[in-house]
Amino acid sequence: AQTVTQSQPEMSVQEAETVTLSCTYDTSENNYYLFWYKQPPSRQMILVIRQEAYKQQNATENRFSVNFQKAAKSFSLKISDSQLGDTAMYFCASVPQAAGNKLTFGGGTRVLVKP
Amino acid sequence: EPEVTQTPSHQVTQMGQEVILRCVPISNHLYFYWYRQILGQKVEFLVSFYNNEISEKSEIFDDQFSVERPDGSNFTLKIRSTKLEDSAMYFCASSPGSGTSGSRTGELFFGEGSRLTVL
Repeated sequence: AQTVTQSQPEMSVQEAETVTLSCTYDTSENNYYLFWYKQPPSRQMILVIRQEAYKQQNATENRFSVNFQKAAKSFSLKISDSQLGDTAMYFCASVPQAAGNKLTFGGGTRVLVKP
Repeated sequence: EPEVTQTPSHQVTQMGQEVILRCVPISNHLYFYWYRQILGQKVEFLVSFYNNEISEKSEIFDDQFSVERPDGSNFTLKIRSTKLEDSAMYFCASSPGSGTSGSRTGELFFGEGSRLTVL
């Protein structure tokens, strides 16, 4: 069974600053995927970034990047140049390669970007 | 941009009543899911659905739950006799593929959720 833990329930950041969200996971699988999903207030959850565990290179999507430490089972998300529209709940998730889209989610981190 | 839509956004029901939550997935997607989030807890997988049958379900998805794609566009979750502990936000999602391989693994398209309150 997989578990995903997000230790920061809430974080705030000034506009244009950088914020890093922590995520740790536990899995016995060799091949798996990790994700960060974003859920703005009253909006759908959307995929922000994904990482294949077999890739050493950290994934990057514009202002969003991850620090994937496989041995430590850590998968943090960095939001650079924070914008007001980044205010949202952020969920870390994982799935074994063979498990299709049966994702295991962390508890979420609420990010508030302040003007 | 295509979206997954869910209705109702909020439903209040009495314990023991039947509830149907509706979802319209993205039209060219083939795989459909229900997840739920009890207040203060994690989002958790309930069921996946493909080709008009359940492909996988969690332990939560007991005989009180059922899913259906009645008309080729809607995807419904029925709870036969609601319990207090069924109170949660229910999220529908769809995906173009199964996620077992390829670049789209884990890329689910979620709806905004339906909040169910059981009194």
